[in-house]
Amino acid sequence: SAVISQKPSRDICQRGTSLTIQCQVDSQVTMMFWYRQQPGQSLTLIATANQGSEATYESGFVIDKFPISRPNLTFSTLTVSNMSPEDSSIYLCSVEDRGGSGANVLTFGAGSRLTVL
Amino acid sequence: GDSVTQMEGPVTLSEEAFLTINCTYTATGYPSLFWYVQYPGEGLQLLLKATKADDKGSNKGFEATYRKETTSFHLEKGSVQVSDSAVYFCALGRGSQGNLIFGKGTKLSVKP
Repeated sequence: SAVISQKPSRDICQRGTSLTIQCQVDSQVTMMFWYRQQPGQSLTLIATANQGSEATYESGFVIDKFPISRPNLTFSTLTVSNMSPEDSSIYLCSVEDRGGSGANVLTFGAGSRLTVL
Repeated sequence: GDSVTQMEGPVTLSEEAFLTINCTYTATGYPSLFWYVQYPGEGLQLLLKATKADDKGSNKGFEATYRKETTSFHLEKGSVQVSDSAVYFCALGRGSQGNLIFGKGTKLSVKP
């Protein structure tokens, strides 16, 4: 399986500021996925990031709020813009496992826990 | 659209008890189905999967069978241990889109 490193692992942010989360994968991958896990809730897909094209956002998520970069096949960033307390969540990067486990098996990073005051 | 409905928690069991966590899904076609587990303080990891009807996924004593007729993928374990305490998520694969839809998660606590 791919190994995913996320930074920062946690942060405390002030309302109105923006924070960029980095996701580094140890192998080249076509699609990278950004999920959000709000406190006590399930994982919700924010967007799919493909290298060389615009990210595809799920319903309820917009590029102005969650801009994503995908400069190459091993790296992506997610920015949470103009944060409010409602953005306090764990943000997770994931990739599809191409190690023979079969389609749709995702490997996840450890997550970035953001607290917005 | 596609969705996953999972048994509400939390679930508290004594060690060596039998565990069932119910999961049903709604989807077009025949998606792959998964159970992921999140141990306290750790990241999300795959527990088991099934890719077609009547497949049984198994790992660490946990099992789940892909039932097309009832659109279900219930997680079972015959004898739980304290170390099984975690949050369990049922998930559905979105085919060529590559990603997963998750259920709400079920928190399991096993008491000695």
